Amino acid sequence: SQTIHQWPATLVQPVGSPLSLECTVEGTSNPNLYWYRQAAGRGLQLLFYSVGIGQISSEVPQNLSASRPQDRQFILSSKKLLLSDSGFYLCAWSAQGVKTQYFGPGTRLLVL
Amino acid sequence: GNSVTQMEGPVTLSEEAFLTINCTYTATGYPSLFWYVQYPGEGLQLLLKATKADDKGSNKGFEATYRKETTSFHLEKGSVQVSDSAVYFCALSGKAGGSEKLVFGKGTKLTVNP
Repeated sequence: SQTIHQWPATLVQPVGSPLSLECTVEGTSNPNLYWYRQAAGRGLQLLFYSVGIGQISSEVPQNLSASRPQDRQFILSSKKLLLSDSGFYLCAWSAQGVKTQYFGPGTRLLVL
Repeated sequence: GNSVTQMEGPVTLSEEAFLTINCTYTATGYPSLFWYVQYPGEGLQLLLKATKADDKGSNKGFEATYRKETTSFHLEKGSVQVSDSAVYFCALSGKAGGSEKLVFGKGTKLTVNP
């Protein structure tokens, strides 16, 4: 069966520091991968999605970036965090040609 | 563009009460519809889905029927439990920018009291 992992689970970072969040999927090949952000009391915002290695599409302009160095690895990065980057970051995957997405446990980021 | 509107929360019920969370959508074509549940501090879990008109998705006592004529996908459960306390998200999957993407409602927080 497929599983999706995210780490770290919780992160507290100062403003201006770099960020790297990692997501990996097991038990499937060539998945579509997604990064979402959930701000406190709000819905989910799609940040990035990827249909293959090295293929990244950005949904909103911001100081975050994403990379997919391996088939089942998706990384969310920032060179300098802002206070507004605080939130709950969720990674998700879907099989090619399938609409259902499955979510990881999330990373809670607090920027101080 | 595609959008999902779900009832504002929070919703507070007593155990064994009937639950309805309304969800309506706007989309071009024939989207798939989903309900996800988020328990405190966790990621989203797929609760149920429906892929075409008149389909009924069901899981763990929850049900939702894909109503194309009213563009709705309301979530129902006949008898809620304390363990159902969570945030519920309605979502649709549709084409946008050449790719399938999920569009979520803002979520409805449900609290069930014993």
